[in-house]
Amino acid sequence: AQTVTQSQPEMSVQEAETVTLSCTYDTSESNYYLFWYKQPPSRQMILVIRQEAYKQQNATENRFSVNFQKAAKSFSLKISDSQLGDTAMYFCAFMKHGQGAQKLVFGQGTRLTINP
Amino acid sequence: DTGVSQDPRHKITKRGQNVTFRCDPISEHNRLYWYRQTLGQGPEFLTYFQNEAQLEKSRLLSDRFSAERPKGSFSTLEIQRTEQGDSAMYLCASSLPTKETQYFGPGTRLLVL
Repeated sequence: AQTVTQSQPEMSVQEAETVTLSCTYDTSESNYYLFWYKQPPSRQMILVIRQEAYKQQNATENRFSVNFQKAAKSFSLKISDSQLGDTAMYFCAFMKHGQGAQKLVFGQGTRLTINP
Repeated sequence: DTGVSQDPRHKITKRGQNVTFRCDPISEHNRLYWYRQTLGQGPEFLTYFQNEAQLEKSRLLSDRFSAERPKGSFSTLEIQRTEQGDSAMYLCASSLPTKETQYFGPGTRLLVL
């Protein structure tokens, strides 16, 4: 079974700073996807960024980028120039590649607060 | 694209009562997922539909839980004889058959008194 661990329950930074959220995972699969989802207070979960394990290049979406270390099974999220609207719970998630239920396995989440 | 919708958004019930939640996925999405999220935790997978077929159920889904997707469109999740431990956010997500990204609804927050 796959497991995802987020070791930082809470983080807090000032607006415009850069922040990195950590995620490690455990799997015996060789091909899979990794995701970061954002869940703002009282709002629905939305996808921030995703990474396909067979791609060595780290994914980037505007101010969001990942550091994917496959051998170390590490998948951290970097948010540059943080904004007040980035305040949310952030979940790292794993999905096996292939047939069948492509269910997401989530970490426990990191509560990120951006202070003005 | 109107997104995934869920109804109701909040439900308060007494222990022992039955409750039913509805999820309407994005229209062309044939894959539908239910997850449960307890306070301070990440969501946990409950069950998966491909069209109208329920193809996988988590062991978290006890025999008091049943899910349906009768015509391959909307889905319902019913909890019979609710217990206080059922209090949680119930999330629905959908995806296209060839795409791995799941789109989530706003969730139904259940409180069992």
